[in-house]
Amino acid sequence: GAVVSQHPSWVICKSGTSVKIECRSLDFQATTMFWYRQFPKQSLMLMATSNEGSKATYEQGVEKDKFLINHASLTLSTLTVTSAHPEDSSFYICSAPTGPGSYNEQFFGPGTRLTVL
Amino acid sequence: QKEVEQDPGPLSVPEGAIVSLNCTYSNSAFQYFMWYRQYSRKGPELLMYTYSSGNKEDGRFTAQVDKSSKYISLFIRDSQPSDSATYLCAILLLGGTSYGKLTFGQGTILTVHP
Repeated sequence: GAVVSQHPSWVICKSGTSVKIECRSLDFQATTMFWYRQFPKQSLMLMATSNEGSKATYEQGVEKDKFLINHASLTLSTLTVTSAHPEDSSFYICSAPTGPGSYNEQFFGPGTRLTVL
Repeated sequence: QKEVEQDPGPLSVPEGAIVSLNCTYSNSAFQYFMWYRQYSRKGPELLMYTYSSGNKEDGRFTAQVDKSSKYISLFIRDSQPSDSATYLCAILLLGGTSYGKLTFGQGTILTVHP
């Protein structure tokens, strides 16, 4: 299957700082990527859809000014958690379909564990 | 009512058992039905997907969909300790403002003990 990587795999930061998480498609181009958040023992909740060359679309209840998404190239999307607080501590996971008609074959990154102190 | 309901378990079975994992969904417009496996602190891994009612087999795994009752299942035959993980059902909608978005069930924690 296709490979999606994330960096960093884990990060600890102080409250009030900003954290950037990268999502890369290693062996395919992704015009669309999805960002999810997963709290302990809970399922994945979609946060936003990242579109190459255009603005991201956010799910209801997700603050777009707090979770900045930039899809700068066909292989890279970044999620920046601005002014992070302890309640933002979570497991952040991205996914990407392998092509415009391949949403049924979305591949996930390994996730980034964010801990805000 | 959640769009996708999944019994979180946990489910503990002996090695070699047949495992049945189930989800129900509410939106009849859903088009693809996926099963993912997630190991602790890792991203989900796609196991298989189907789009029509009936069964689909892949090795020890069988996915079953019943659109009339909005019920999907994953069966694991001859379960192995390495199958211990969280299993997530996910449903894909291709249309409207939700195009390409996966809606996940809560996940079932499975432990297969030797």
